[in-house]
Amino acid sequence: SQWGEENLQALSIQEGEDVTMNCSYKTYTTVVQWYRQKSGKGPALIILIRSNEREKRSGRLRATLDTSSQSSSLSITGTLATDTAVYFCATDGRGSALGRLHFGAGTQLIVIP
Amino acid sequence: EAAVTQSPRNKVAVTGGKVTLSCNQTNNHNNMYWYRQDTGHGLRLIHYSYGAGSTEKGDIPDGYKASRPSQENFSLILELATPSQTSVYFCASGEPGTGGQAPLFGEGTRLSVL
Repeated sequence: SQWGEENLQALSIQEGEDVTMNCSYKTYTTVVQWYRQKSGKGPALIILIRSNEREKRSGRLRATLDTSSQSSSLSITGTLATDTAVYFCATDGRGSALGRLHFGAGTQLIVIP
Repeated sequence: EAAVTQSPRNKVAVTGGKVTLSCNQTNNHNNMYWYRQDTGHGLRLIHYSYGAGSTEKGDIPDGYKASRPSQENFSLILELATPSQTSVYFCASGEPGTGGQAPLFGEGTRLSVL
């Protein structure tokens, strides 16, 4: 698979702390997308970083991409209780023109007020 | 406002029965997708479509069929449901193209096969 064997990871932090989540992938991708999924909802894109970018920022979010190690990270600064969710990264496996995405297992983030 | 609507939101089916999950999008997107999500795992692609009348197999198509009768509607069909198909199913729509055309997801259908 794109990801090999992996399971959902869990992080529990206090509100106001910063957090970084990581993902690694096995095959080339033109983009890494990060999604947030709140309980009972579908995933929603929060930030996207292309293969020719090393860093991307959006508000309190920062994504990095290292194509040499095939890894990406998502950082959230000054977390809020409302950031509690599962965070997924997704890749497009050589830039599929049909938009097929491959999702990792995700990180369950719990932010304690 | 862009939207993907799934129905039903919850479904209980019996083993061997037929189940149809429906998806409607108002985004005028060409592409639509069906994923399943199991506890502790990411989303896995079952079937997708790049326009009315087309369906393609995704990564885990066995036991599922799909139908795209129109631009707006995409159905997932379980002809003979099995307990292993108990899962949460997500439909999404998006535009094709390299470099990250992020799909929009519905809120999911929780299916239990008893």
